[in-house]
Amino acid sequence: QLQLQESGPGLVKPSETLSLTCAVSDGSITSRSFSWAWIRQPPGKGLEWIATISYGGNTYYNPSLESRVTISADTSKKVFSLSLNSVTAADTAVYYCARQPQGRIKVLRGVVDFTPNYFDIWGLGTLVTVSS
Amino acid sequence: DIQMTQSPSSLSASVGDRVTITCRASQDITTYLAWFQQKPGKAPKSLIYAASNLQSGVPSRFSGSGSGTDFTLTISSLQPEDFATYFCQQYKTYPITFGQGTRLDIK
Repeated sequence: QLQLQESGPGLVKPSETLSLTCAVSDGSITSRSFSWAWIRQPPGKGLEWIATISYGGNTYYNPSLESRVTISADTSKKVFSLSLNSVTAADTAVYYCARQPQGRIKVLRGVVDFTPNYFDIWGLGTLVTVSS
Repeated sequence: DIQMTQSPSSLSASVGDRVTITCRASQDITTYLAWFQQKPGKAPKSLIYAASNLQSGVPSRFSGSGSGTDFTLTISSLQPEDFATYFCQQYKTYPITFGQGTRLDIK
């Protein structure tokens, strides 16, 4: 059974960069069948999708965070990562990594793109607090 | 962005009750709708995808229906382990968006 495990600092200072890594327990990070995502949940609030990276490296970002976010993957290490810069207290949240079954393929002017999908497996989450 | 609105925001029910939670999308999402269950301090658990398809291992008392803009999650006979918060999620287009959640408490 696949397990996802988030890791990273639990405390980040305002204006600094939040960096998290998600370890994928099996080899599915190299599979064409899945994309990989980050979602967050501020204390006592709802869920907010942050970003997705597909097989092949297509990236998709929430427009509300796009200017500050980067998602990447290192398949040789079986991890994918999140970087969020210029953090404020509003970025305090539990951050989850999750797996998405690969979406439908779209080809537009020779460029391959994927539609989104639901999240079938989630990590346990890690609380990141932004405070000085 | 597609806005997802759940109702009610909270609900009290008893073991054995039949419960229905509604999720409405701000535009047509056909059946690109998923439901999740979340218990305090735990990660969300996928229950249903494509509006009505049960994830493997999810009890058959859970069911989903709907298409277009209106969707429902039904629990046919509440069990003690079902008291949790439930979220819907649309995946018709990016950005992916979630409903605000429905908290299901014991009456």
